[in-house]
Amino acid sequence: DTGVSQDPRHKITKRGQNVTFRCDPISEHNRLYWYRQTLGQGPEFLTYFQNEAQLEKSRLLSDRFSAERPKGSFSTLEIQRTEQGDSAMYLCASSPRDLPGRDTQYFGPGTRLTVL
Amino acid sequence: AQSVTQPDIHITVSEGASLELRCNYSYGATPYLFWYVQSPGQGLQLLLKYFSGDTLVQGIKGFEAEFKRSQSSFNLRKPSVHWSDAAEYFCAVGRGSSNTGKLIFGQGTTLQVKP
Repeated sequence: DTGVSQDPRHKITKRGQNVTFRCDPISEHNRLYWYRQTLGQGPEFLTYFQNEAQLEKSRLLSDRFSAERPKGSFSTLEIQRTEQGDSAMYLCASSPRDLPGRDTQYFGPGTRLTVL
Repeated sequence: AQSVTQPDIHITVSEGASLELRCNYSYGATPYLFWYVQSPGQGLQLLLKYFSGDTLVQGIKGFEAEFKRSQSSFNLRKPSVHWSDAAEYFCAVGRGSSNTGKLIFGQGTTLQVKP
């Protein structure tokens, strides 16, 4: 069990550029979550996958955001035409099969995005 | 709608002193409750969780939390704080109408430990 990994750990980009983040969950975890955390706040839910199916998206996830989890393994989160308001820590978590809400989510170290 | 409130944004305690971090939640049924800790620049580590049964739950690193339904609270405690406990602590509720298991987090409490 190597834990949840995220790449890159830090990303600095200019406004208007596209960025993509990757999350590798703990192997055999079928659930994968993306959260966003801004300074001084708790994480906020963005989206959720069960295997390869994206089952819920937050209203925070504008049409500039897209997430995928092909083959139910790693996931990517892409932000198009970045804005300064997108600057945040993007956290990924995975969990094994269990009752919804009861599953223990294991978090990765996060990707810190800075939009200049 | 579900919500979690952590009334204390910042707490300072002396090393060796006892600690209590407050968490209040809003949810219609019995919630699933979690406490996570986050060190600077790091992801979140689960300290403990409550689903049902005994309302006093034990976690890692000597932490415990007590679920009080009448007060809608799930306060985190530790009898003797160590300098390494300095971090940010988040309370979260994990049972929602969407059935996805997404967590709703509080704003967090930053713990500073004085030598």
